[in-house]
Amino acid sequence: SYDLTQPPSVSVSPGQTVSITCSGDKLGDEYVCWYQQRAGQSPVLVIYQDNKRPSGIPERFSGSNSGNTATLTISGAQAMDEADYYCQAWDKNTGEVFGGGTKLTVL
Amino acid sequence: EVQLVESGGNLRKPGESLRLSCATSGFSFNSAWMSWVRQAPGKGLQWVGRIKSKTHGGTTDYAAPVTGRFTISRDDSKSTLYLQMNSLKTEDTAVYYCVTYGTSSPDHEQYYYMDVWGKGTTVTVSS
Repeated sequence: SYDLTQPPSVSVSPGQTVSITCSGDKLGDEYVCWYQQRAGQSPVLVIYQDNKRPSGIPERFSGSNSGNTATLTISGAQAMDEADYYCQAWDKNTGEVFGGGTKLTVL
Repeated sequence: EVQLVESGGNLRKPGESLRLSCATSGFSFNSAWMSWVRQAPGKGLQWVGRIKSKTHGGTTDYAAPVTGRFTISRDDSKSTLYLQMNSLKTEDTAVYYCVTYGTSSPDHEQYYYMDVWGKGTTVTVSS
């Protein structure tokens, strides 16, 4: 099976920049999505196709993907960004694969 | 506005069956790819399976843990997605989300990505 690895948790001070990584074998060869899940809510797509933002997602969210690592960056984090973040990619053998999730704390 | 409303979640014993539904509106369901994703209590997201549009053959793909036990189907006349779950196990306990796909065309090829999620329905499997 194909695995995507994320750090369990990261923290950031309000207004600072934070990056969340997602690692997988040759991940850069696939498109990556990122989902935000606030406590008690359904996931929301924040990045697709490595670096595209859906309408309604703030510009402070950006993404990149190269080699074995995809990265979600939040520039100028706000309290409302506190959530779990999941990366996701398609593997031809495994199907849709999610990373284990990263809990972002804004403090 | 895209709306996905899951229903059918319930308490079942191991070995029993359950069918989930996802009623949709606000988009062209008959041309949409759809997935089910689940989340066990306190755990991360786990993809369950996907069904393509009939234009793309209506084919299904499943995650290894549910292959042979779960079946995804669709009724385009009702804009509704289904998940038939048989031989339930305690590890199937989770919130089940219905998800619709968006599409883009990078490099002149069609790319499908999971886009809008429903609010989920809870399945509990316990003796």
